[in-house]
Amino acid sequence: EPEVTQTPSHQVTQMGQEVILRCVPISNHLYFYWYRQILGQKVEFLVSFYNNEISEKSEIFDDQFSVERPDGSNFTLKIRSTKLEDSAMYFCASSEAAAHGYTFGSGTRLTVV
Amino acid sequence: AQSVTQLGSHVSVSEGALVLLRCNYSSSVPPYLFWYVQYPNQGLQLLLKYTSAATLVKGINGFEAEFKKSETSFHLTKPSAHMSDAAEYFCAVKRGSTLGRLYFGRGTQLTVWP
Repeated sequence: EPEVTQTPSHQVTQMGQEVILRCVPISNHLYFYWYRQILGQKVEFLVSFYNNEISEKSEIFDDQFSVERPDGSNFTLKIRSTKLEDSAMYFCASSEAAAHGYTFGSGTRLTVV
Repeated sequence: AQSVTQLGSHVSVSEGALVLLRCNYSSSVPPYLFWYVQYPNQGLQLLLKYTSAATLVKGINGFEAEFKKSETSFHLTKPSAHMSDAAEYFCAVKRGSTLGRLYFGRGTQLTVWP
């Protein structure tokens, strides 16, 4: 069964450093998303991406965050200057159509120290 | 606005017993509703979805859920629990067929006792 692949599975970074989280969505999917889950809290929406541009972003997705689809297969989330409160599990997801359910990756656990 | 409430952060059942995980939603427009399962150290796997067709939806692993508009509920059930069902379960809602975000509940941790 097709999968959404996320790398790395775990990343530790120092506060203030830039991190890039990588995702390979399912090949025929057109809609891409990032969500995050802080330990013990809800899974929260960050951003959706369609047709090479951001279609929606949450209030969490401020100027320190950016997304990119640098080629035909990868979808990345960049956090410019990490803060302690950015520590969370970050999930990438993709969808074939807006009406369909999403397929989520296994997540990247980001720890900011 | 859309929101989801999952009643009970922890549910424990014996193997073979009925599983009932509760989800109530709030939506200003006809919703699409989803149940996801998360096994330890894994991602979110889609169990089933309601997209305005049949109100009783069957999913994978013997789970099903019924959309009840009058009760704004979408409870997840399984007639007979198996040890392998132990996981965290998330209910989520989105605004119909639009390209919209998913709003998740806080999750329910299901424990299955032998």
